[in-house]
Amino acid sequence: AQTVTQSQPEMSVQEAETVTLSCTYDTSESNYYLFWYKQPPSRQMILVIRQEAYKQQNATENRFSVNFQKAAKSFSLKISDSQLGDTAMYFCAFMYSGGGADGLTFGKGTHLIIQP
Amino acid sequence: DTEVTQTPKHLVMGMTNKKSLKCEQHMGHRAMYWYKQKAKKPPELMFVYSYEKLSINESVPSRFSPECPNSSLLNLHLHALQPEDSALYLCASSQGQGYDSPLHFGNGTRLTVT
Repeated sequence: AQTVTQSQPEMSVQEAETVTLSCTYDTSESNYYLFWYKQPPSRQMILVIRQEAYKQQNATENRFSVNFQKAAKSFSLKISDSQLGDTAMYFCAFMYSGGGADGLTFGKGTHLIIQP
Repeated sequence: DTEVTQTPKHLVMGMTNKKSLKCEQHMGHRAMYWYKQKAKKPPELMFVYSYEKLSINESVPSRFSPECPNSSLLNLHLHALQPEDSALYLCASSQGQGYDSPLHFGNGTRLTVT
């Protein structure tokens, strides 16, 4: 079984700063997907970014980018020019390739607070 | 706006009540999921329906009964719940087995059992 570890329960940065959230995982599979989900106080889980394990290039979505180190089983999220609306719980998640019916394995989450 | 719609948004029920949570998606997804989430914790998988058949039941107590009437709808029937069942219940959908699509989540139902 796979495990996902987020070692930072809470982080706080000033608006406009850059922040990096860490995530490590453990799996014996070679084909899988990794995701970062954001959950603001409104409760909805919002997909921030996804990374295919077979791709060496790190995924980027506007101010959000990942540093994917497959050998180290590390998948960190960098948020540039942080905004007040980025305040939320951030969950790292794992899914087997082709395992769309098996659901996601989540880390425990990081509560990110953006200070004005 | 969310493409996965959950009703109701909030629900308060007594331990002897019977209620149902509803979830609907119109993205043509063939897998639907129920997750339970306690405060400041990650979502925990409860059930997965794949092509309208129950494919995963994560040892959930029988007081929770899922139902998938068709590919767009997912219900969770609740009966004789306990106060510790109070949580946020999230529904999600994806393209399903064999596809590598992410899960799309609804806004959840906040359940309080008194």
